[in-house]
Amino acid sequence: GNSVTQMEGPVTLSEEAFLTINCTYTATGYPSLFWYVQYPGEGLQLLLKATKADDKGSNKGFEATYRKETTSFHLEKGSVQVSDSAVYFCALRAQGGSEKLVFGKGTKLTVNP
Amino acid sequence: EAGVAQSPRYKIIEKRQSVAFWCNPISGHATLYWYQQILGQGPKLLIQFQNNGVVDDSQLPKDRFSAERLKGVDSTLKIQPAKLEDSAVYLCASSFLDGNTIYFGEGSWLTVV
Repeated sequence: GNSVTQMEGPVTLSEEAFLTINCTYTATGYPSLFWYVQYPGEGLQLLLKATKADDKGSNKGFEATYRKETTSFHLEKGSVQVSDSAVYFCALRAQGGSEKLVFGKGTKLTVNP
Repeated sequence: EAGVAQSPRYKIIEKRQSVAFWCNPISGHATLYWYQQILGQGPKLLIQFQNNGVVDDSQLPKDRFSAERLKGVDSTLKIQPAKLEDSAVYLCASSFLDGNTIYFGEGSWLTVV
């Protein structure tokens, strides 16, 4: 079946450090890939997405590239801020109009000033 | 634009009691999802509706969970009787029929004691 594997957290960084959160997936065909973010006490928000191989999704300084050859969608940011502290979820949606989102377990990021 | 609305935000009940959660999706969104997010895990789909029909309820524990979307707009998720392991955040989400982007509500936090 379809699945997503994320690097385990928690991840603790200092402000302005470089961030990478690894995500790999297992799916047939060409799924769409997503990163969602969950701030403390809030629901999930879509951060970025990519729908085909070699696409790069980007938003708020975060970016991730859909790599079909390595089945990966790693999240990166060049310089994190305290306000980026949250839980980040990688997710996939298999091909087809009614397929559900399948999530990874989430990676908690804490950014210290 | 109004987002996905959920209520109540927080609920504490004793085991074997019942609870109901309500969701109002974004206007015009035909597809509605209920996800269960247990602490430390990624969200898991419980049920997906398209208009008022069920598309996927394969992971819904039907002996105790039920959900309806009678008029194809808002939805109710019920748990009866609740177990300790039902303690989780129940996330409602919605999308247009193509499901290209799924929007989440803030969640209903359930604690069963």
